[in-house]
Amino acid sequence: AQTVTQSQPEMSVQEAETVTLSCTYDTSESDYYLFWYKQPPSRQMILVIRQEAYKQQNATENRFSVNFQKAAKSFSLKISDSQLGDAAMYFCAYRSRRTGANSKLTFGKGITLSVRP
Amino acid sequence: GAVVSQHPSWVICKSGTSVKIECRSLDFQATTMFWYRQFPKQSLMLMATSNEGSKATYEQGVEKDKFLINHASLTLSTLTVTSAHPEDSSFYICSASVRREYNSPLHFGNGTRLTVT
Repeated sequence: AQTVTQSQPEMSVQEAETVTLSCTYDTSESDYYLFWYKQPPSRQMILVIRQEAYKQQNATENRFSVNFQKAAKSFSLKISDSQLGDAAMYFCAYRSRRTGANSKLTFGKGITLSVRP
Repeated sequence: GAVVSQHPSWVICKSGTSVKIECRSLDFQATTMFWYRQFPKQSLMLMATSNEGSKATYEQGVEKDKFLINHASLTLSTLTVTSAHPEDSSFYICSASVRREYNSPLHFGNGTRLTVT
């Protein structure tokens, strides 16, 4: 079974600065997807960024980028130029390709990010 | 695109009654729908996976007779909490997998906050 570990329960960043959220995972599979989801106080799950395991290039989405280290099974999220609206709970998630549409998301415990004005 | 509508957003019910939560994919066909439960400040815990026209697959420890899941069509899945008790109070979130796009991220409903008094 796959596991996702987010060891930091909370982090804080000054507005306009950069913060990195850590995530590690464990799997015996070679083909899978990794995601970062954001959950603001509204509790709506919002996709931040995704990474296909077969791609070596790190994914980027505007101010958000990942550092994907497949051999180390590490998938960290970097948020540049942090904004007040970035304050939320962030979840790292894993999804296998093996079971197709039935493939569930396995979530880490999440990290609460606060942004100081 | 890929909008998932979940209803109701919040519900209060008395102990012993049943509550139904609906999850609809508005602009796509959802091959598979997933139901999650989330306690405050915690991660999402998968309860069950449902496929249209077949019985749901429940995660270990989830009472199938208490949490009835019906996936009647490619756009609708329902979760019924039967004989609800205060310990069933929680936040329930559905998500859907886009048909023929199993490698896409899951799309989430806005969640339902259930309070059992």
